[in-house]
Amino acid sequence: DVKVTQSSRYLVKRTGEKVFLECVQDMDHENMFWYRQDPGLGLRLIYFSYDVKMKEKGDIPEGYSVSREKKERFSLILESASTNQTSMYLCASREDSDASTGELFFGEGSRLTVL
Amino acid sequence: GNSVTQMEGPVTLSEEAFLTINCTYTATGYPSLFWYVQYPGEGLQLLLKATKADDKGSNKGFEATYRKETTSFHLEKGSVQVSDSAVYFCALRVSGAGSYQLTFGKGTKLSVIP
Repeated sequence: DVKVTQSSRYLVKRTGEKVFLECVQDMDHENMFWYRQDPGLGLRLIYFSYDVKMKEKGDIPEGYSVSREKKERFSLILESASTNQTSMYLCASREDSDASTGELFFGEGSRLTVL
Repeated sequence: GNSVTQMEGPVTLSEEAFLTINCTYTATGYPSLFWYVQYPGEGLQLLLKATKADDKGSNKGFEATYRKETTSFHLEKGSVQVSDSAVYFCALRVSGAGSYQLTFGKGTKLSVIP
């Protein structure tokens, strides 16, 4: 079975803290994504990476950065957490050669609360 | 740009009722269309897909037909079960250079009561 694993299911942080969210996939996928999910807003893309050390901004990159040093790992970083970053964060991966299907495989999510 | 519009929820149905969740889209190119499902406490998983006009995707009793003339991809199931309670997302992807993103709708929460 394909697997996307997010390091923490639940986190509670304080305003101003630096936060790392880790994601690992075991499918040798080239593409990896970070979304945030909020009620009434659906999924919004924060950043994605189409290959190691490559990254592209999504729709809402402000306040976030990412790191992709190895193919299987994609990290989301909140340099200085703020209360409006309280959300569910979803990591996903996809094989790059699958141009037509485009199926994403998702992790279970990390629910972050910033106090 | 690309966008997906889903019917707003929540939707509450009795077991064995018929389900329709409407989805319409706008796209700059020729999209592939998807329905994803998110069960409580889990991430999203692909439910079904269609890659060209008039294709019908189906899985677990759910169906959706790619209607290019009405730019729609409505999700249907003839008889829902309690275990179908989840949030359903319609999504699209336009093929081509740099087409890494899926565009998602806002999701429709379905609750099925016994």
